[in-house]
Amino acid sequence: GESVGLHLPTLSVQEGDNSIINCAYSNSASDYFIWYKQESGKGPQFIIDIRSNMDKRQGQRVTVLLNKTVKHLSLQIAATQPGDSAVYFCAENLQGAQKLVFGQGTRLTINP
Amino acid sequence: NAGVTQTPKFRILKIGQSMTLQCAQDMNHNYMYWYRQDPGMGLKLIYYSVGAGITDKGEVPNGYNVSRSTTEDFPLRLELAAPSQTSVYFCASSYSGSQPQHFGDGTRLSIL
Repeated sequence: GESVGLHLPTLSVQEGDNSIINCAYSNSASDYFIWYKQESGKGPQFIIDIRSNMDKRQGQRVTVLLNKTVKHLSLQIAATQPGDSAVYFCAENLQGAQKLVFGQGTRLTINP
Repeated sequence: NAGVTQTPKFRILKIGQSMTLQCAQDMNHNYMYWYRQDPGMGLKLIYYSVGAGITDKGEVPNGYNVSRSTTEDFPLRLELAAPSQTSVYFCASSYSGSQPQHFGDGTRLSIL
């Protein structure tokens, strides 16, 4: 989950397909996780969050899955639309910490 | 409800000049953060504050200063601008470290 200064990985999907964006987080003591969407020229926008006492949480067209055993977080977007094209960031909060640690981000491109 | 407001939106500086990036939030959040985002990269934490009168360094604080005299405002100061500080700067705020951060629209800063 640490930002390591690498260029963003990319994911391309066809419009209407489901997409899955993955994130490996760094600290087994993290107890809060969050996904952000960042469109070009804008600030990150909150999508969905999950706490460590849950494995799955659903929102509107989005689902977040948490696998604490392998320290893995995923964001599933159903029936992708052109407006879903953006960079998606995961972030974790170490229990009791005052800040989030952001992942490097994934650029999602929706093909017509 | 304005949320997090950043000014200016764009600025060009000459090397060695100084400036202050303004950030204000109207959500009564105690926690505020400053990030920089270089082109195609993730977010790097510069400084953060957990309340008025309290500030702490993030991962890339060199060349920057902050102050937090009120709950609402968290200005970021560049004293001697350098080309390496060309970036997009985002301010964010939250209720706590384990709550979603709300981001402003960013300040795009170029140093020539």
